[in-house]
Amino acid sequence: DAMVIQNPRYQVTQFGKPVTLSCSQTLNHNVMYWYQQKSSQAPKLLFHYYDKDFNNEADTPDNFQSRRPNTSFCFLDIRSPGLGDAAMYLCATSRERLGRGRLETQYFGPGTRLLVL
Amino acid sequence: AQSVTQLGSHVSVSEGALVLLRCNYSSSVPPYLFWYVQYPNQGLQLLLKYTTGATLVKGINGFEAEFKKSETSFHLTKPSAHMSDAAEYFCAVSAETGGFKTIFGAGTRLFVKA
Repeated sequence: DAMVIQNPRYQVTQFGKPVTLSCSQTLNHNVMYWYQQKSSQAPKLLFHYYDKDFNNEADTPDNFQSRRPNTSFCFLDIRSPGLGDAAMYLCATSRERLGRGRLETQYFGPGTRLLVL
Repeated sequence: AQSVTQLGSHVSVSEGALVLLRCNYSSSVPPYLFWYVQYPNQGLQLLLKYTTGATLVKGINGFEAEFKKSETSFHLTKPSAHMSDAAEYFCAVSAETGGFKTIFGAGTRLFVKA
């Protein structure tokens, strides 16, 4: 019954070595989100996909990229991880975008904890 | 723009005692408000949400929250804490002026003592 799946749960990478985190969903939702959550902090939205339409947050570093090859999968690519990128990365989905008169529930995956050595 | 302030980064209660986690929000337009729970090394799970209508919202696991517009608050309560309630709790707000993006508070870690 897993709905939002993130693999791996723990990822170790080296400083500057590209890394990809993956997320898949069985809900057939249109929207997929990536959040970064540093220790003892609130989740911070990096970007989201509405179907194939990519929406980047203004303050998301260029080092972070995303791909959504199909409805079910979404990837987070970190081109050159720095020590400051060590965090929990949360994937979430919603059926539609939040909008006026339309409150959509976000479903979160369990997260991938990234460690940068 | 919207914002959320959670008062108290850590709250400790005894098992069976009342749980009260405080959340104040800022929004120039009617907000949508949420409480999420996060257990260690897991994602966020929605506890409850407020949209419109009844200001007292009941959620899962015996939690409830009351929207008080005059106080710009959305505090989370549970009459009797259980050991399994120990977790991080996030209040969040979403509104039209922010493009309905979900803005999370910094979180409150709840400890439950036996």
